[in-house]
Amino acid sequence: YELTQPPSVSVSPGQTARITCSGDALANQHVYWYQQKPGQAPVLVIYKDSERPSGTPERFSGSSSGTTGTLTISGVQAEDEADFYCQSADNRGTYVFGSGTKVTVL
Amino acid sequence: QVQLVQSGTEVRKPGASVKVSCKASGYTFIAFYIHWVRQAPGQGLEWMGWIYPHSGATKYSKKFQGRVTMTRDTSISTAHMELSSLRSDDTAVYYCARGGAYSGYEIDSWGQGTLVTVSS
Repeated sequence: YELTQPPSVSVSPGQTARITCSGDALANQHVYWYQQKPGQAPVLVIYKDSERPSGTPERFSGSSSGTTGTLTISGVQAEDEADFYCQSADNRGTYVFGSGTKVTVL
Repeated sequence: QVQLVQSGTEVRKPGASVKVSCKASGYTFIAFYIHWVRQAPGQGLEWMGWIYPHSGATKYSKKFQGRVTMTRDTSISTAHMELSSLRSDDTAVYYCARGGAYSGYEIDSWGQGTLVTVSS
């Protein structure tokens, strides 16, 4: 199965960025979000649709409805510029990543 | 703290195999899944499969079934991923990563990545 993300999102500092992740599997499964900066390994920022791991800034939030999950970055900062990937898993343990969204802070 | 330390850069010719290692520390190795994820240059993340160190059970992406083998050595808290019949499009950074402690389906810690280059 597939997860579809927009290739890019541009946002001015202090504004809100929203990244969507769409796929039929999300109707029954949770969505997870990762941030990856150039030359670094990904970092988990949201799990189970809307939960923040310790260390994730409060400006990152997540939601899910129907077949679409959304990652929201409120009050975007320059340091948030990165690639973001959604991920899900089915009940048989098969995982999938979305195609990735590049967030550019103008 | 959780640490996953991977083996170093590899260069292989087409048709060869490569084995990447991932040594875990800072947690109970057998209690958490180890995933393997790769990223081709300039491309996105691609899930390859997981191994459950406690039992050795594995689950592979259909794309890699028949070419990938994931193993572990619990005595040294190390997981291995071997990919065979390498092609040029297997050139990528290969990550090992720990299955999550939060809900079980996330990946909460990553290794530093191992660059595998396939070139004649």
